[in-house]
Amino acid sequence: DTGVSQNPRHKITKRGQNVTFRCDPISEHNRLYWYRQTLGQGPEFLTYFQNEAQLEKSRLLSDRFSAERPKGSFSTLEIQRTEQGDSAMYLCASSLLPQGFGNNEQFFGPGTRLTVL
Amino acid sequence: AQKVTQAQTEISVVEKEDVTLDCVYETRDTTYYLFWYKQPPSGELVFLIRRNSFDEQNEISGRYSWNFQKSTSSFNFTITASQVVDSAVYFCALGPGANNLFFGTGTRLTVIP
Repeated sequence: DTGVSQNPRHKITKRGQNVTFRCDPISEHNRLYWYRQTLGQGPEFLTYFQNEAQLEKSRLLSDRFSAERPKGSFSTLEIQRTEQGDSAMYLCASSLLPQGFGNNEQFFGPGTRLTVL
Repeated sequence: AQKVTQAQTEISVVEKEDVTLDCVYETRDTTYYLFWYKQPPSGELVFLIRRNSFDEQNEISGRYSWNFQKSTSSFNFTITASQVVDSAVYFCALGPGANNLFFGTGTRLTVIP
């Protein structure tokens, strides 16, 4: 399977605990994105990387959230001191680097569903 | 500001009927991209189409067709002869540049056999 993969698929945690999610993008894709999706809503952008550089962060990404892509391949998203409001589906996507001004289609993984009790 | 509006929250059709999903967008950018994604019950978003703002030609792919009208800031999606497998949530998204996407709230389509 050469698509985007995410682990774990489900995570249940208690409020106040830290959690970490992993995303493995399509191998030749330079860009990697994190989104959050709550019930009945569309995905909301959190952050994106171009290779190992984190180029943009949404204001939704509070200081309890941190994302890394240390070698420009897989990425991790960590949430510290989880709150019940963090319960959501966390989606990862990857894309090729646009040629000039462009916006290539993003390919999404299956997501990690987080439940904070 | 970037915004995508999908006014239809839920639509139900009987199999073989045609159905159109509406998408209206707002952007001040002169160059932008529009996308449609499908999210089946399994949850994984599936890319359907990308269209740039310079190309207003309508596109047809099998039973799917898309109508892009800059004058009304709309990018509507029609499924012809709907099938049960088309049941899903469909998202329209706006890509103002080369970075993140702004998604609408989605339209849940149910095709009744």
